Amino acid sequence: DQQVKQNSPSLSVQEGRISILNCDYTNSMFDYFLWYKKYPAEGPTFLISISSIKDKNEDGRFTVFLNKSAKHLSLHIVPSQPGDSAVYFCAASFSNAGGTSYGKLTFGQGTILTVHP
Amino acid sequence: DTGVSQDPRHKITKRGQNVTFRCDPISEHNRLYWYRQTLGQGPEFLTYFQNEAQLEKSRLLSDRFSAERPKGSFSTLEIQRTEQGDSAMYLCASSTSSLRPLHPPLDGYGYTFGSGTRLTVV
Repeated sequence: DQQVKQNSPSLSVQEGRISILNCDYTNSMFDYFLWYKKYPAEGPTFLISISSIKDKNEDGRFTVFLNKSAKHLSLHIVPSQPGDSAVYFCAASFSNAGGTSYGKLTFGQGTILTVHP
Repeated sequence: DTGVSQDPRHKITKRGQNVTFRCDPISEHNRLYWYRQTLGQGPEFLTYFQNEAQLEKSRLLSDRFSAERPKGSFSTLEIQRTEQGDSAMYLCASSTSSLRPLHPPLDGYGYTFGSGTRLTVV
């Protein structure tokens, strides 16, 4: 069962515009979410995260929004740059009873972002 | 510290052979994870260690797969009697664990991936 889904396999955006990548999850136990960026032949690189106690987290050009009732999160990149072209993965995790990170991440299938000059 | 290192970067092996991969995590990280990624999919969790203890193994990890982290530092992942379906990118990651449940870190617990080992079984 696919607990984390990225339903858009690809997204094409003009440089300078906003990129919006979406992610849906089904497991209500998830309480920590991360976005990763991946270039070919490299491992995923951490971008930004959000805890379920927040609904928004911002870091420079990247903002993640979390809608717990809809079990939906999105990553906004503003303004988009050609160097942002990569595969973007969302991932989810949940804390154990002791409140420490459970550690295991469940990933979506990824969205290929292409930013055109 | 240069991050998470994986060796080798590429491995081509014949079906039925055994292969072993190595992962060196970030030194101050107590957790180490193995994932597998196939084309068009996100990474899938295989197993993870906290220090030298293996705390969870996925159902994906058949009995042909074994992972160790003997001294709580580097880890090895061995695949015995390889099959063509084992062809994939094998990713290692490391992280800290948080002891502050009310203040989740914004850095992803420092969850850092290596560049992976690309396995091709022919």
